[in-house]
Amino acid sequence: RKEVEQDPGPFNVPEGATVAFNCTYSNSASQSFFWYRQDCRKEPKLLMSVYSSGNEDGRFTAQLNRASQYISLLIRDSKLSDSATYLCVVSRGGYNKLIFGAGTRLAVHP
Amino acid sequence: DTAVSQTPKYLVTQMGNDKSIKCEQNLGHDTMYWYKQDSKKFLKIMFSYNNKELIINETVPNRFSPKSPDKAHLNLHINSLELGDSAVYFCASSQVAGRLETNEKLFFGSGTQLSVL
Repeated sequence: RKEVEQDPGPFNVPEGATVAFNCTYSNSASQSFFWYRQDCRKEPKLLMSVYSSGNEDGRFTAQLNRASQYISLLIRDSKLSDSATYLCVVSRGGYNKLIFGAGTRLAVHP
Repeated sequence: DTAVSQTPKYLVTQMGNDKSIKCEQNLGHDTMYWYKQDSKKFLKIMFSYNNKELIINETVPNRFSPKSPDKAHLNLHINSLELGDSAVYFCASSQVAGRLETNEKLFFGSGTQLSVL
């Protein structure tokens, strides 16, 4: 079983749609959680951290359920520029050991 | 100014050759990393250095040897290249080495596409 699992997609949605991505992690000792975004042939960039109480950044909302070991990302009012791969990232222990999921691809069309 | 820069951007070489990828960060960060992203898009950590000291060494063949001459540089040397080494290699840096704070983040270089023929 992979340490961080995501639905690979692709999710094809029209502009303005709301889309949700899910992620599960296997290591209950994981302490920090993130969503990164990776555009085609580019480097990953931090989208947002995920806090236990849930957090929002503009059109993006992240949720964490430690009991179920589940993380989600909700994107409201999708834009064409949101098209990318969204990587779920979990820290394993100390020394910034980040474990990346394989990513969920989002394609927003006009 | 590019925060994390790695060279070359593309590297095409024959099996059995030895090659190096260089990485430099101008962010003043203490910790640097090498990640490998294979054809299935999994991004896996290979090595991490904190202030020139190796702190993470995942199960990577001995043919891969990182070198950190100072905390702003982390180079990756690969001996006897194999077909399976073909991937995109990303260098990254971060400020915090111990416990990762939830507001900390990795800064990635733009990647080196390695193709072994």
